Amino acid sequence: RKEVEQDPGPFNVPEGATVAFNCTYSNSASQSFFWYRQDCRKEPKLLMSVYSSGNEDGRFTAQLNRASQYISLLIRDSKLSDSATYLCVVPSGGSYIPTFGRGTSLIVHP
Amino acid sequence: DAGITQSPRHKVTETGTPVTLRCHQTENHRYMYWYRQDPGHGLRLIHYSYGVKDTDKGEVSDGYSVSRSKTEDFLLTLESATSSQTSVYFCAIQIRTPSLDTYEQYFGPGTRLTVT
Repeated sequence: RKEVEQDPGPFNVPEGATVAFNCTYSNSASQSFFWYRQDCRKEPKLLMSVYSSGNEDGRFTAQLNRASQYISLLIRDSKLSDSATYLCVVPSGGSYIPTFGRGTSLIVHP
Repeated sequence: DAGITQSPRHKVTETGTPVTLRCHQTENHRYMYWYRQDPGHGLRLIHYSYGVKDTDKGEVSDGYSVSRSKTEDFLLTLESATSSQTSVYFCAIQIRTPSLDTYEQYFGPGTRLTVT
């Protein structure tokens, strides 16, 4: 099993839709997780941290399921500006090397 | 804004020439990283640094070397560039978040390198 796996998509959704991405991880020692957003030809930017059972920020909700070792990102009321690639990041236990998923592409259309 | 700059932002070079990319931070963070990003591979770690003169290899370090003589600068050198090193290179710093007992990474704007 790869350390961090994401469905590459693309997820193609209309404006206003609700969309969810999953990310599975193999390191059961990880305590916190991150979602990054990357726009085309730009650097990844931190979107949300995920710890405990989950986190919510406006239209974005991140949830953690430790038993099944996955995290999810839910986007409600999708906007055109949400179109981007979403990267799942898992810190590698006690080391300082995080593991990045390859990303899930989201396309929101009018 | 984590105060990270990269230079140059774009470079075209010929096979066999040496190339140095610079990453500069303004906040004296201890950990700095160099990644490359290619279609189908995602972000891959080249080298990282945990202090002045303290560096270690990542998963794709062959053909690359790094140096960190000052806290604020982390240099990535391609001793003899090859076409397979055409990529987008991102530098990152790592910041501890005490409230979560974890670390967050923040990225520079990237350098687009083309080796012809």
